[in-house]
Amino acid sequence: RKEVEQDPGPFNVPEGATVAFNCTYSNSASQSFFWYRQDCRKEPKLLMSVYSSGNEDGRFTAQLNRASQYISLLIRDSKLSDSATYLCVVSRAGTYKYIFGTGTRLKVLA
Amino acid sequence: DADVTQTPRNRITKTGKRIMLECSQTKGHDRMYWYRQDPGLGLRLIYYSFDVKDINKGEISDGYSVSRQAQAKFSLSLESAIPNQTALYFCATRDRQPTDTQYFGPGTRLTVL
Repeated sequence: RKEVEQDPGPFNVPEGATVAFNCTYSNSASQSFFWYRQDCRKEPKLLMSVYSSGNEDGRFTAQLNRASQYISLLIRDSKLSDSATYLCVVSRAGTYKYIFGTGTRLKVLA
Repeated sequence: DADVTQTPRNRITKTGKRIMLECSQTKGHDRMYWYRQDPGLGLRLIYYSFDVKDINKGEISDGYSVSRQAQAKFSLSLESAIPNQTALYFCATRDRQPTDTQYFGPGTRLTVL
């Protein structure tokens, strides 16, 4: 079983739609959680960190559920420019490891 | 200017050749990483370094070596390239808690024929 798992998609949604992705992690000692965005053949870029209380940044909302060991990303009012692969990332305190999921691909359609 | 730069951006080489990929950063971070990315496999860690004198193997270090020439520079070498090392290679830096965020270079697309 992979330490971080994501549905690869693709999620094809129309502009303006709301879409949500989940990511599950297996190590309960995980401490830091992130969503990164990666455009085709480009480097991953931090979209947002995920905090225990949940956090929002504009149209994007991230949630953490420690009991069930998953994080989620909600995108409201999808734009064409949101089309990308979204990587779930988990790290454990005091370790070098930054564990990446294989990504969920989103296509926003006109 | 980009905070993390990589050279070259693209490289095509032949089996058996020695290749060096270079990474420089202006973020002042001590921690630097090399990853490779293959379709369907996600990012996999090759080597990481916590400072100039602290270099460690990641999960897929066989066939690779690294050099941390300075805090700002971290190079990856393929001593004798083979076709299954064809991949997209990323260098990254990482800042400390509480943000604990990684910052990636633009990547090097390497093809080994």
